Amino acid sequence: DQQVKQNSPSLSVQEGRISILNCDYTNSMFDYFLWYKKYPAEGPTFLISISSIKDKNEDGRFTVFLNKSAKHLSLHIVPSQPGDSAVYFCAAVFGNEKLTFGTGTRLTIIP
Amino acid sequence: DSGVTQTPKHLITATGQRVTLRCSPRSGDLSVYWYQQSLDQGLQFLIQYYNGEERAKGNILERFSAQQFPDLHSELNLSSLELGDSALYFCASSVGSKYNEQFFGPGTRLTVL
Repeated sequence: DQQVKQNSPSLSVQEGRISILNCDYTNSMFDYFLWYKKYPAEGPTFLISISSIKDKNEDGRFTVFLNKSAKHLSLHIVPSQPGDSAVYFCAAVFGNEKLTFGTGTRLTIIP
Repeated sequence: DSGVTQTPKHLITATGQRVTLRCSPRSGDLSVYWYQQSLDQGLQFLIQYYNGEERAKGNILERFSAQQFPDLHSELNLSSLELGDSALYFCASSVGSKYNEQFFGPGTRLTVL
């Protein structure tokens, strides 16, 4: 039962353009959402998060949007840079329960 | 560098064998989490320890066990290995027991032949 889904395994974006990574979830009890970035041979690194009481959180070039009615969140990266090429995981948590991860989206930024 | 270390980086073994993966958390972190990432899968939570005690269990097989020692390092023991156990195993740590404040190690890649 995949409660957090990232339906796009890969995404290619031109440098300087906007990258939009999507994530859907099924459990309406999730109250906190996170995005992690992973480079090869490294562990995931926390990128940005959002509480379910908000619909947007911004940190520099990264913005996460949450649409609770659609059970959907997205990560926007603008402008995209070559160093953004990585695998991005969304994750969700309910209360103090375990983190539930999506399967990841591999983002490739084309110079 | 997250400050979380894992050894070994790579491990190749045969079916039926037993291996031990080791994790040292960031200085000051009391919680250690173990995750498994199989091919094309997200990270699956296995188990969490907080200050030496088991705090939560996820999808951990009975053939797998873990412990956290007084110096707070943790070991994940995998026994009677099967081909399907080949995966990346990540350890993460956090100061408290909150799941949303974890720092991940670089992982151990286990290959079972």
